[in-house]
Amino acid sequence: EAGVTQFPSHSVIEKGQTVTLRCDPISGHDNLYWYRRVMGKEIKFLLHFVKESKQDESGMPNNRFLAERTGGTYSTLKVQPAELEDSGVYFCASSQGVARQETQYFGPGTRLLVL
Amino acid sequence: QKEVEQNSGPLSVPEGAIASLNCTYSDRGSQSFFWYRQYSGKSPELIMSIYSNGDKEDGRFTAQLNKASQYVSLLIRDSQPSDSATYLCAVSAGGFKTIFGAGTRLFVKA
Repeated sequence: EAGVTQFPSHSVIEKGQTVTLRCDPISGHDNLYWYRRVMGKEIKFLLHFVKESKQDESGMPNNRFLAERTGGTYSTLKVQPAELEDSGVYFCASSQGVARQETQYFGPGTRLLVL
Repeated sequence: QKEVEQNSGPLSVPEGAIASLNCTYSDRGSQSFFWYRQYSGKSPELIMSIYSNGDKEDGRFTAQLNKASQYVSLLIRDSQPSDSATYLCAVSAGGFKTIFGAGTRLFVKA
């Protein structure tokens, strides 16, 4: 069974540009999460989808970040316009059902560098 | 005060020894507690979860939870060089939002 996949693995862009990150969860997983790790800091929760609905987006830093999950399958996270402080590793994770204690499986991450 | 605090390390132990990793959290309403292992450049991997006070053992790993002290720990018995990684403590207060600590780097010397 394929795990969580993320694309691209790396992205280098200039300040002010737009970047779109993609996450494909494990097939059949209704829950999809986005996290971010800025260098030297802890992994921070960004938001949680249940199918196509945003369940909790309390961690989104500002309105330059837009996450979507049309059709409840893959998700995209767009940063527009990107700023220097957006650099970091963006992780996606998925879990299967509604039980709070279910394991979240992490993808390999997208390493974003904003110059 | 950080929501989840861990000693950044590095913690260095000889092969075969017990590695003890500690974590404190600030939200008394926290219900679920996790330990993730992250190798350099890789994604976090869940190795233990614990939800009630006491010990939970899984192979060489034992998680310990003390909600009164807001403290959770991970013991790794018979440490192996392959256990060298960053160990992340994570806490959930309900719902699905998970709060991570910054991690403790563990080195197991052969």
